[in-house]
Amino acid sequence: GAVVSQHPSRVICKSGTSVKIECRSLDFQATTMFWYRQFPKKSLMLMATSNEGSKATYEQGVEKDKFLINHASLTLSTLTVTSAHPEDSSFYICSARPGLAFDEQFFGPGTRLTVL
Amino acid sequence: QKEVEQNSGPLSVPEGAIASLNCTYSDRGSQSFFWYRQYSGKSPELIMSIYSNGDKEDGRFTAQLNKASQYVSLLIRDSQPSDSATYLCAVGGGYNKLIFGAGTRLAVHP
Repeated sequence: GAVVSQHPSRVICKSGTSVKIECRSLDFQATTMFWYRQFPKKSLMLMATSNEGSKATYEQGVEKDKFLINHASLTLSTLTVTSAHPEDSSFYICSARPGLAFDEQFFGPGTRLTVL
Repeated sequence: QKEVEQNSGPLSVPEGAIASLNCTYSDRGSQSFFWYRQYSGKSPELIMSIYSNGDKEDGRFTAQLNKASQYVSLLIRDSQPSDSATYLCAVGGGYNKLIFGAGTRLAVHP
């Protein structure tokens, strides 16, 4: 149980294009989903928290107009990197929180974004 | 600023030994604690959660929590080369969020 999928697993795009990443909880309904990014050999950095049907809460320093998050249902959240630039190249990972009582999160497999 | 501290390592242990990974946290009010394993190039995988003081065992893994000392640890018995990974300590940070440590890199050598 507690499986989270992410698509695509890898994407290469040209500078200036937009990229959408999907995150799905496959066998549970996620009350909250999270988006992280991770640079090589660095720790996870939380970008934003999203709850179904409401606006995402972005961490300080994360541009909400650049990283658009939509949490359309209890099993689907999307992250769109708009007008991507090479500095946006990173490993983007979503996680989902199934329960109301505890904070455990289950991670998707991640999306490696390379912007040329 | 809520913080979670881990020794970055690498922690090198021989195969079959016990690996001991440690973590301290700053928020005395934290109620939930987790250990994630992350292989190079992969996403984190939840391996242990602990919510009350004491030990919690699951197979070769034992999580230990001491809220008074604000300390949580993970013991891996009979370490295997396949345990070589980065281990992330995470603490419930309120507002549904987890606060992650930077991780400890474990290397198990044959």
